[in-house]
Amino acid sequence: DAGVIQSPRHEVTEMGQEVTLRCKPISGHDYLFWYRQTMMRGLELLIYFNNNVPIDDSGMPEDRFSAKMPNASFSTLKIQPSEPRDSAVYFCASSPQVNTEAFFGQGTRLTVV
Amino acid sequence: DAKTTQPPSMDCAEGRAANLPCNHSTISGNEYVYWYRQIHSQGPQYIIHGLKNNETNEMASLIITEDRKSSTLILPHATLRDTAVYYCIVSPTDNYGQNFVFGPGTRLSVLP
Repeated sequence: DAGVIQSPRHEVTEMGQEVTLRCKPISGHDYLFWYRQTMMRGLELLIYFNNNVPIDDSGMPEDRFSAKMPNASFSTLKIQPSEPRDSAVYFCASSPQVNTEAFFGQGTRLTVV
Repeated sequence: DAKTTQPPSMDCAEGRAANLPCNHSTISGNEYVYWYRQIHSQGPQYIIHGLKNNETNEMASLIITEDRKSSTLILPHATLRDTAVYYCIVSPTDNYGQNFVFGPGTRLSVLP
């Protein structure tokens, strides 16, 4: 397996634009996580899914952020409209079950100017 | 807030054992201790986890005190490629959620 695949690796967009980040988890993994990492706040869990169903989205910063998982092999994190303070590295991770390791993707570095 | 406390930084000589401590004095009986590391600009990488017994794998050993209030991650023969930020996390056995919190971690520098 190629691991967790995220796209794009880098994204530069203007303030106010819609941004969509994509993630393909490892096949067979039931859990999918979206994290955000900044220098100020470190790694923050935004939302996680179990069997394509959002379980905990309390980390989503505000209504401008939304995440979907239409099937077991694909998830998106959308920011609309984007703001400069959304600039960060966004990581997707997947895990086969609770109490096992989570596998992280390489991240998407988002810059909003 | 993270439920663990780690030193912000440590140095280790190449080839020597690196012992990274973690304090989790408020850990509950149903919480595991996880260790991850993050090498610059990469996604975090799982290292090891345990509940109450010591654990060992090909990467490291995890020593958990008998009262479970602290643990130590041991890299037996550190190499330059082990330079990274190491995160200690406690999380319940039956769910993730906001309990799975990455704190600031320990920045380990392996020196030649």
